[in-house]
Amino acid sequence: QSVVTQPPSVSGTPGQSITISCSGGSSNIGDNYVYWYQHLPGAAPKLLIYRADQRPSGVPDRFSGSQSGTSASLAISGLRSEDEADYYCAVWDNNLSGSWVFGGGTKLTVL
Amino acid sequence: QVQLQESGPGLVKPSQTLSLTCTVSGVLIGGGNFYWSWIRQPAGKGLEWIGSIYMSGSTNYNPSLNSRVTMSLDISKNQFSLNLAYVTAADTAVFYCARVLPDCSNGRCYGRFFESWGRGARVTVSS
Repeated sequence: QSVVTQPPSVSGTPGQSITISCSGGSSNIGDNYVYWYQHLPGAAPKLLIYRADQRPSGVPDRFSGSQSGTSASLAISGLRSEDEADYYCAVWDNNLSGSWVFGGGTKLTVL
Repeated sequence: QVQLQESGPGLVKPSQTLSLTCTVSGVLIGGGNFYWSWIRQPAGKGLEWIGSIYMSGSTNYNPSLNSRVTMSLDISKNQFSLNLAYVTAADTAVFYCARVLPDCSNGRCYGRFFESWGRGARVTVSS
């Protein structure tokens, strides 16, 4: 069980907006930036949001991120069928010698 | 364009050592401020960071796997490797290798992120 938690699943219909939460603690989200990845079946994970709220080039502005305190969130507006995927938050944890921690992942279903 | 490709046995017996290699193209693994990482995904579960190795050869492993993990670089072949000892069925997973880049802008660095990934190698632990 990860020290960073996400809801196992969220769903929405095309055109709707959804939010995925990522909750951690003072040693990880409370002190480091969160990065979000989109993982489509059979493909390599893809960086979606970096530094909490920045989009790499090529990522639609329908995707946005935010971070405050020990929590972060990923918002997707104007849902499209191709957004159906697993989404992971990732953050550095300062405990011990330091380690990367992934959230448990959230399966987005577009109904 | 950086590309990574995992390779290794798809089947490993319990108690043996799982060995995987990641072949990198498009960049020299010892040529920049990079970490190289292994991440795995057990069936039906989420991603788990296994460990990272810096271009100098220094390593950092997931505390939950630390006693069983060894990573190494082969600069001459532009490859890095993972050894996971004493495997059990719980180690069955898809294993990804990835390049880690610093997230820096205007002279300030904010963290690091997994920038390029391989397509993954499925490894089953079974007798």
